[in-house]
Amino acid sequence: DADVTQTPRNRITKTGKRIMLECSQTKGHDRMYWYRQDPGLGLQLIYYSFDVKDINKGEISDGYSVSRQAQAKFSLSLESAIPNQTALYFCATSDGGGIGTENTEAFFGQGTRLTVV
Amino acid sequence: DQQVKQNSPSLSVQEGRISILNCDYTNSMFDYFLWYKKYPAEGPTFLISISSIKDKNEDGRFTVFLNKSAKHLSLHIVPSQPGDSAVYFCAGGGDGQNFVFGPGTRLSVLP
Repeated sequence: DADVTQTPRNRITKTGKRIMLECSQTKGHDRMYWYRQDPGLGLQLIYYSFDVKDINKGEISDGYSVSRQAQAKFSLSLESAIPNQTALYFCATSDGGGIGTENTEAFFGQGTRLTVV
Repeated sequence: DQQVKQNSPSLSVQEGRISILNCDYTNSMFDYFLWYKKYPAEGPTFLISISSIKDKNEDGRFTVFLNKSAKHLSLHIVPSQPGDSAVYFCAGGGDGQNFVFGPGTRLSVLP
């Protein structure tokens, strides 16, 4: 089983609809992230959570909301989907890090391809 | 303003030769840097990292060099193999900070 699982893997939805992307992890990490990938823009951070009670906006949070239901679960919602939210979405987890830490890394799910028509 | 830049969108290299992928950053608060590799239809996977207190880290065919004064790092792959063909993302991170990713470089290793 994957350490970071995203559901659904693919979704086509209509403009104005609400949609939720779910992420669960078995790494036991406190930190979870949602990114979107667009061609030529890399991975842009939407929201992140350093623990269950800590949720923060990333670079491109407008139009999105999140819920950290438990340490292992972090959901991303599009309240009213629009076509420019068509992208590949990735959930990731990590443990803490600091100076001298070489092995801190983020573990990614396989992605959710979302198309808004 | 992009904190992490990868100015080459793509790179082609002959099998067996060295691949050098470059990355520049502006955020002096990064404590470490990471390289990720991404195949189509898969999530990015961690490749190698380097702490800001070092200038080199090596793992098999992969070596990352960090030049803090120039705010520049590079990933060397020697020898390059066709299976290395993927998109490579550079990222900066730190305690209390998020991972910030560059836009990626698509590496093609030609047989």
